[in-house]
Amino acid sequence: ETGVTQSPTHLIKTRGQQVTLRCSSQSGHNTVSWYQQALGQGPQFIFQYYREEENGRGNFPPRFSGLQFPNYSSELNVNALELDDSALYLCASSSGSREGNTIYFGEGSWLTVV
Amino acid sequence: QKEVEQDPGPLSVPEGAIVSLNCTYSNSAFQYFMWYRQYSRKGPELLMYTYSSGNKEDGRFTAQVDKSSKYISLFIRDSQPSDSATYLCARTLSGSARQLTFGSGTQLTVLP
Repeated sequence: ETGVTQSPTHLIKTRGQQVTLRCSSQSGHNTVSWYQQALGQGPQFIFQYYREEENGRGNFPPRFSGLQFPNYSSELNVNALELDDSALYLCASSSGSREGNTIYFGEGSWLTVV
Repeated sequence: QKEVEQDPGPLSVPEGAIVSLNCTYSNSAFQYFMWYRQYSRKGPELLMYTYSSGNKEDGRFTAQVDKSSKYISLFIRDSQPSDSATYLCARTLSGSARQLTFGSGTQLTVLP
């Protein structure tokens, strides 16, 4: 049990629609990252939020956007869904401490775009 | 060339065997190295992390980093059927300590 919770666990959307995924980070963790994991692949970094500001972004188009709230929970929004967006979306949280580098993942949200 | 290369397997071993999982990386600026275990349709679970060359042990698991060769390994001793999962290696860049780059994962099956 990592203390990172995500919702919803599964959802099906139609191409062109918009989706919002949610994440509650582990207590005390102020950094939240989002990853996309296609079937049979490793997770790909989408972006990261630290104290409510985006401070890193992977190779994903602007239709992937996010928010981090004062309680450090986070949302991932994807607009104009495409079939290739079908994947497991993972939220990861970590603390701002420079001691070690423990990054914990939630169980993910399975998105299917039809 | 991918930044982190990992043999996808699948790898199948008998119970009790020693398992060796390997990754190579291409960027010398990599700082931290991690191994995650991912069961089917679940999120990745952190097994071990290290930031220096050499070995780090935790129970039946040993992580090994060779920065001169840009090679990282995970050894599992006395493997159990419950170890059957996909194993992901990952690294972070110096200065961006919480952005992970993953390998593609190695699928391991331990047969009873």
